Amino acid sequence: GAVVSQHPSRVICKSGTSVKIECRSLDFQATTMFWYRQFPKQSLMLMATSNEGSKATYEQGVEKDKFLINHASLTLSTLTVTSAHPEDSSFYICSAPKGRGYNEQFFGPGTRLTVL
Amino acid sequence: GDSVTQMEGPVTLSEEAFLTINCTYTATGYPSLFWYVQYPGEGLQLLLKATKADDKGSNKGFEATYRKETTSFHLEKGSVQVSDSAVYFCVLADSGNTPLVFGKGTRLSVIA
Repeated sequence: GAVVSQHPSRVICKSGTSVKIECRSLDFQATTMFWYRQFPKQSLMLMATSNEGSKATYEQGVEKDKFLINHASLTLSTLTVTSAHPEDSSFYICSAPKGRGYNEQFFGPGTRLTVL
Repeated sequence: GDSVTQMEGPVTLSEEAFLTINCTYTATGYPSLFWYVQYPGEGLQLLLKATKADDKGSNKGFEATYRKETTSFHLEKGSVQVSDSAVYFCVLADSGNTPLVFGKGTRLSVIA
């Protein structure tokens, strides 16, 4: 199966700092990647769709200036949480579909962000 | 829009008990259906999938059949183990390169 990695797996930062999370498709190219946020004991909430070569599409209620997404290449998307606050603490997960028309998606292992 | 409804947990079972987690969906097209599992502190792993009506997905003793007539994709396992304790998500994919539609997840705890 396809492999998607995320880095870092865990990060603790001070309030007001910015944190970058990387999502990489290791053995396939992904023109689209998805970023989700998961609160404790809840389901995944889609934050945005990351598109290689164009701007990300954000879901309603997600601040695009706070959660910056850059799809730098066909194998890398980054999510930067700017000026992080404690309420941004969460589990962030990315996913990528393998190939056009192939609707199975592969998930990264997730990044646990804790903002102090 | 598309949606997935799955039974709410938590579900607590004794080891070797039979498991059923109900999942129904609404979709305008011909979606693919998945069950993903999330173990504590980890990301999501694909458990099984079915891409068309009457398909049966199976893996690690778990099974689910894509029932178009009842718009259902119930997850079953004949004999659960403690290691099956996790959160299970029923998921729908309408087409390629579109976001997945998640159920709310069902937390399963299996006790010895």
